[in-house]
Amino acid sequence: GESVGLHLPTLSVQEGDNSIINCAYSNSASDYFIWYKQESGKGPQFIIDIRSNMDKRQGQRVTVLLNKTVKHLSLQIAATQPGDSAVYFCAENNGGSYIPTFGRGTSLIVHP
Amino acid sequence: SQTIHQWPATLVQPVGSPLSLECTVEGTSNPNLYWYRQAAGRGLQLLFYSVGIGQISSEVPQNLSASRPQDRQFILSSKKLLLSDSGFYLCAWFPEPGNTIYFGEGSWLTVV
Repeated sequence: GESVGLHLPTLSVQEGDNSIINCAYSNSASDYFIWYKQESGKGPQFIIDIRSNMDKRQGQRVTVLLNKTVKHLSLQIAATQPGDSAVYFCAENNGGSYIPTFGRGTSLIVHP
Repeated sequence: SQTIHQWPATLVQPVGSPLSLECTVEGTSNPNLYWYRQAAGRGLQLLFYSVGIGQISSEVPQNLSASRPQDRQFILSSKKLLLSDSGFYLCAWFPEPGNTIYFGEGSWLTVV
């Protein structure tokens, strides 16, 4: 079936480095994409989103890139901080589905 | 603004005991409501979703059930818990397809 997946289950970086978390999706009908951050023992929190009519969107220290040609989504975190340590999920849905699809998640570990 | 709450946050239940997790959404009407389960180190597994009062769709056959007695209330239940029901349960809502899905704080269930 259609799915959203992540390439790396764990990413370790040094404090101050930039982090890039990747996600591949297979549903060509997807037109809305979301990144979530989930800290241990808590519910996922919205970080940033992007619609399919865009290829880049920036927030505070975060940037999401969308490549529809290869069905690839990435989250870039600038100047990664220890507080960024968490599991990051990508998700996708479209205007025709009541069931969003979530990636497996990548654990980001930031070393001070 | 919209908020979502679920409770209890943590519970330890013996095998064979009943379960009731509650979720409410405030600040919106007719939300689409979801129950997910997240096993340790795993992704999100959709259990049930509801697009309206009394309308429940089950994604995974199991000994859990869901009910939506009011527009903004979603309840996850079991008559007899199994050890395999242990996990982190998340309630979520979103207004309509193609929008962000928002999560509750989560409920940790340990069946002993």
